[in-house]
Amino acid sequence: NAGVMQNPRHLVRRRGQEARLRCSPMKGHSHVYWYRQLPEEGLKFMVYLQKENIIDESGMPKERFSAEFPKEGPSILRIQQVVRGDSAAYFCASSRTGANTEAFFGQGTRLTVV
Amino acid sequence: ELKVEQNPLFLSMQEGKNYTIYCNYSTTSDRLYWYRQDPGKSLESLFVLLSNGAVKQEGRLMASLDTKARLSTLHITAAVHDLSATYFCAVPLKGGATNKLIFGTGTLLAVQP
Repeated sequence: NAGVMQNPRHLVRRRGQEARLRCSPMKGHSHVYWYRQLPEEGLKFMVYLQKENIIDESGMPKERFSAEFPKEGPSILRIQQVVRGDSAAYFCASSRTGANTEAFFGQGTRLTVV
Repeated sequence: ELKVEQNPLFLSMQEGKNYTIYCNYSTTSDRLYWYRQDPGKSLESLFVLLSNGAVKQEGRLMASLDTKARLSTLHITAAVHDLSATYFCAVPLKGGATNKLIFGTGTLLAVQP
């Protein structure tokens, strides 16, 4: 049973480009969470999705950031017109249910904006 | 708003010594997680503490949870170099009725030979 799979592991984008980060949850998990970790900081919640629904996006910047989790395929975190401040590690976690179950983390995508 | 604070933020200790990392949180929760993160890596789950008074041990690490004091501790016994990493505690928002986690600031542990 593969764990949470994220790709790419490393992503370099020039300012103004778009970044697409993918997350395939563990088998049997239908709840996905995205977190951002800035250098030397802890993880900050961004968005919580269930299949085809955004449940909580309270931690996501209002502009340039969007997330989806379609019926088929991985969850996507999309950052448009990236800026240097978007450089961070983005982690995805998945869980079997929406509450009272442990969420498991992927390896992360390290985004560098140059 | 749920706040999770860890101290110390940085801990340099010698091999063989004992020390404790503290995690305080600001609102009710009966569940708390401890993670380890090595540089450039993902989070490794260490402990899931599910109730008041819960104590779990794995090797040289022992974690406990006091929900009344809103405090968890991670105790390191006879530290070895391999324990060098950053340790995070995390608390679910709404006291466990969600898997959305609020993370502490992290404690960078450096074990010196």
